[in-house]
Amino acid sequence: GESVGLHLPTLSVQEGDNSIINCAYSNSASDYFIWYKQESGKGPQFIIDIRSNMDKRQGQRVTVLLNKTVKHLSLQIAATQPGDSAVYFCAEARGDKIIFGKGTRLHILP
Amino acid sequence: SQTIHQWPATLVQPVGSPLSLECTVEGTSNPNLYWYRQAAGRGLQLLFYSVGIGQISSEVPQNLSASRPQDRQFILSSKKLLLSDSGFYLCAWSYQPNTEAFFGQGTRLTVV
Repeated sequence: GESVGLHLPTLSVQEGDNSIINCAYSNSASDYFIWYKQESGKGPQFIIDIRSNMDKRQGQRVTVLLNKTVKHLSLQIAATQPGDSAVYFCAEARGDKIIFGKGTRLHILP
Repeated sequence: SQTIHQWPATLVQPVGSPLSLECTVEGTSNPNLYWYRQAAGRGLQLLFYSVGIGQISSEVPQNLSASRPQDRQFILSSKKLLLSDSGFYLCAWSYQPNTEAFFGQGTRLTVV
């Protein structure tokens, strides 16, 4: 998609605060969504996923919200820690393909 | 348990030289396989995906090609590299459509 050529936006959060990372998707037919975390020089790691028949799913310190009406996805990280510093990507499954959205760099302030 | 191996970790190649990056998956059968490219500080671009041996779908027309000669082996190739082929190449696999993909550690390719 067109987002692959854009510089990544940055979100700066105080350590201990909650982080909210947002993502918009384009295909209303997509029915499975994934959040990934990518640390510098490494491959993306799975964080949490959600299917289109749900609007919220919780994991350990993370929550994903899905709003199908406006095609919006968010990742909430509770009590952000220094180890959460990374680039976060949302991805949507379209049949056999997994398409990544625009990433967000999360920067933790001491 | 399932593991994905991708090599080499880094590669420096001259313009016009050929390329072959290999990815293998262990511990599962008939996985979906993917090749992505990531430019520095950018997002992930899907290049190729495969749902079975010999079945390759291309997402972006370019001078790269992919092959799947065995069930758990996915190869990314080029006959002649361009400077614009530099980037971080990531291989990934998933059990089936609409499930999460698991990524390898990537190959950082620099074309000089």
